[in-house]
Amino acid sequence: GDSVTQMEGPVTLSEEAFLTINCTYTATGYPSLFWYVQYPGEGLQLLLKATKADDKGSNKGFEATYRKETTSFHLEKGSVQVSDSAVYFCAPQGGGSNYKLTFGKGTLLTVNP
Amino acid sequence: NAGVTQTPKFRVLKTGQSMTLLCAQDMNHEYMYWYRQDPGMGLRLIHYSVGEGTTAKGEVPDGYNVSRLKKQNFLLGLESAAPSQTSVYFCASGQGTEAFFGQGTRLTVV
Repeated sequence: GDSVTQMEGPVTLSEEAFLTINCTYTATGYPSLFWYVQYPGEGLQLLLKATKADDKGSNKGFEATYRKETTSFHLEKGSVQVSDSAVYFCAPQGGGSNYKLTFGKGTLLTVNP
Repeated sequence: NAGVTQTPKFRVLKTGQSMTLLCAQDMNHEYMYWYRQDPGMGLRLIHYSVGEGTTAKGEVPDGYNVSRLKKQNFLLGLESAAPSQTSVYFCASGQGTEAFFGQGTRLTVV
């Protein structure tokens, strides 16, 4: 079945630092790839997505590129803010008739002023 | 626009009691999911449904049952609660592109 390996946290950065959270996946077929964010006390919400190889998803200054050859979808942001403090989840979604959405363990990011 | 609504938001159960968690979505989505979230374990899929009247097991289905009698509702049942089922439960729905999540149900089994 599908699986995700995500960079272990917690990650602590100072404001305006560069962020990378690594994500690699295994999946049958040709999945779409997602990053979700969970702010304290809330459910997950979509941050960005990519549906085919070499696509770049972007939102709120975050970016991730679908790398089929390395089965990776690393999340990056050039300058983090305190408000980016949250848990980030990488998730491949299987194609075909199987729409299971599998998550990594999540990476807790804390940004200090 | 309600999106995905979970009830209840909090619940404390005694070991052996039963309960049902309700998830309702108003986006006409085909797919619905139940996850549990535990510290250090991320989100684990309990059961999911790809359409009204269908259900399938996820990673951790034991001790839970589900039903999808109506397209908009996905119920998660615990027949005999155990302390190991203490967790935060999230429901999600989608149409194959992204998932929309509820706010979660915090369940404590004592």
